[in-house]
Amino acid sequence: QVQLQESGPGLVTPSQTLSLICSVSGGSISRGGHYWNWIRQSPGKGLEWIGYISYSENTNYNPSLKSRVTLLVDTSKNQFSLKLNSVTAADTAVYYCAGDNGVSGIGSFEHWGQGTLVTVFS
Amino acid sequence: DVVMTQSPDSLAVSLGERATINCKSSQSVLFRSNNKNYLVWYQQKPGQPPKQLIYWASTRESGVPDRFSGSGSGTDFTLTISSLQAEDVAVYYCQQYYTTPYTFGQGTKLEIK
Repeated sequence: QVQLQESGPGLVTPSQTLSLICSVSGGSISRGGHYWNWIRQSPGKGLEWIGYISYSENTNYNPSLKSRVTLLVDTSKNQFSLKLNSVTAADTAVYYCAGDNGVSGIGSFEHWGQGTLVTVFS
Repeated sequence: DVVMTQSPDSLAVSLGERATINCKSSQSVLFRSNNKNYLVWYQQKPGQPPKQLIYWASTRESGVPDRFSGSGSGTDFTLTISSLQAEDVAVYYCQQYYTTPYTFGQGTKLEIK
């Protein structure tokens, strides 16, 4: 069973860069046809898809965040990561990493991390 | 972006009774080449990530009780819980994966009456 775990700072200063890592266990991140996603949830904006990356570094970003987001993958560590720059208080949210299962289609999220709260605060 | 609108925002149902949650998309999420609706339903309990219940609008995820069912096509979808159990108290979300950016409904909070 694939498991995901987010890690990273829980506090980020405004205008700085939010950086999170998702560690994948129970399966290889290099499985073809699977995409690895970041999703965030805040009281004000609900659930918001940030973007995905494949093991071959194929990426797709939400246009609302595209200018500030970078997703990277490290297949040697079975991890993928999120960088969001120039953060403001509006970026305060619980950040989830999530993956599909290859059965229900790209963009459906069977596997989720537990989520990590990131607060933008000076 | 495809806008997903759920109704109602909250719902209170007696134990053992039927609960129905609706989801409407601003454009069709039916992919005609494979006749699949790219619509998924999630259940989220406090302090937990969403859990996938239904995909392709009507296919139950493995291990999901058969009291949960999904229906609909094109732009109008429904999640039905045939006989509400106490453990079904949660927020339910629909999400389209027909096109990026993938988008979610605002959620429906289900409570016991």
